Amino acid sequence: EPEVTQTPSHQVTQMGQEVILRCVPISNHLYFYWYRQILGQKVEFLVSFYNNEISEKSEIFDDQFSVERPDGSNFTLKIRSTKLEDSAMYFCASGVDRLGFFGPGTRLTVL
Amino acid sequence: GENVEQHPSTLSVQEGDSAVIKCTYSDSASNYFPWYKQELGKRPQLIIDIRSNVGEKKDQRIAVTLNKTAKHFSLHITETQPEDSAVYFCAAQYMNYGGSQGNLIFGKGTKLSVKP
Repeated sequence: EPEVTQTPSHQVTQMGQEVILRCVPISNHLYFYWYRQILGQKVEFLVSFYNNEISEKSEIFDDQFSVERPDGSNFTLKIRSTKLEDSAMYFCASGVDRLGFFGPGTRLTVL
Repeated sequence: GENVEQHPSTLSVQEGDSAVIKCTYSDSASNYFPWYKQELGKRPQLIIDIRSNVGEKKDQRIAVTLNKTAKHFSLHITETQPEDSAVYFCAAQYMNYGGSQGNLIFGKGTKLSVKP
C-alpha cells in the first residue's frame, strides 16, 4: 500500500537557523497538508496546498514558514529562522477526498 | 473558524468493556468527521470517518455516530482490548468535493487505557 514518506525523521538545529522538512505525498493525491504536534498536545493545522497554491493557512503559519512543491513528487516546509517554540513533530499529510494518510513525521528539535 | 471540543481527556476501562469518546464542533458547514488513533511516537492513523449525510457507521468493534442538529459526534469502541490503548483524536472538516478543502481541525485527544 502506498504511504506518505517524510525526511528526515529527526532534525536538530540551532535557534535562528533555517530548516527544510521534506515530504513525498502519495502520487495520485491532490491535497497536501502540514500539521505540527507539540509533545503531548493535539495535532495543529499549519497549511493546506491544492492546485499548486496555498488554499488555507493557520495563524501559526506566519512569515517564517513557507511551502513548496518544487517538482511532481516533493512537498516541502521551510522554516526560515527557527525559534525554540518551533520544536515539535511535523506531519505531512495528503488525500484525495479524505485525509487518511499522514506521514511518519519529522521531529524538529531547536536548541 | 471551526472549534472542536473532545471529552474526556483520559479514559480508563477494563478489557471487554465499552469506551465512548465524545466531540462537539462549532461550524455547521463541517461535513466530514474522521477519528484517528495515535500510538506513542507514531503518526495518527485514520480508523473510521463519517460524512454529514450519514448518522451512524460501524466497522467491526468501532462505531461512530453523528448528530448534526446538536453538532455532536461520538466514537464507540466495544469489547475493548489492551491494544486499543492509545490517544484518540476526533476532527472536523469542511470538504468541498472537487475544490479546495477547509482545514482539518482536531480535538485535544483522549488517552484511552484498557486494563487487562
